[in-house]
Amino acid sequence: AQRVTQPEKLLSVFKGAPVELKCNYSYSGSPELFWYVQYSRQRLQLLLRHISRESIKGFTADLNKGETSFHLKKPFAQEEDSAMYYCALSADGNTDKLIFGTGTRLQVFP
Amino acid sequence: KAGVTQTPRYLIKTRGQQVTLSCSPISGHRSVSWYQQTPGQGLQFLFEYFSETQRNKGNFPGRFSGRQFSNSRSEMNVSTLELGDSALYLCASSRTGARDQPQHFGDGTRLSIL
Repeated sequence: AQRVTQPEKLLSVFKGAPVELKCNYSYSGSPELFWYVQYSRQRLQLLLRHISRESIKGFTADLNKGETSFHLKKPFAQEEDSAMYYCALSADGNTDKLIFGTGTRLQVFP
Repeated sequence: KAGVTQTPRYLIKTRGQQVTLSCSPISGHRSVSWYQQTPGQGLQFLFEYFSETQRNKGNFPGRFSGRQFSNSRSEMNVSTLELGDSALYLCASSRTGARDQPQHFGDGTRLSIL
């Protein structure tokens, strides 16, 4: 079965601390993975995707096929990073079907 | 460029009624997907439309249906509403629906069933 697991509902850190939001997936094929973010009172938006291998707002995520993980990392958290983060898997060949994890709320304290 | 627009923003219905939600994708986007978001189940895929054809469907009962028009605008319909249908319904669009393309989400329609 195709599944995305985000084990932490809430992650609280202080400003300047490193952040790692965990995401594990279950999919037998070649996955396309994404991180979406929802800031307070804003719509869900794409943060980054593994295929781009890019860093957005200081966040990076590396696909580890051996561990079936796609953890989101940032070396120094900022208060404006406080938001809800969703890991998502696109499993089907030619459609927009995304399978989302349950999300992790990141709180960054000053 | 205008983003994905969903109407209405809020709806209150009673059990047994039916409801139609509307989604206008970003100009030039031909793929429209619908998701249901609830506190208990999170974000769940409902269906996807591309060029007026349903291309994929999630695990929802037949009471949930949708369609897409030639201008790519989409509607979803829920008939015989149940209390458990109370949720935020999100629409997302992308240019072609290819796996590696990001989806752009609307603000959603919050449906409350009394």
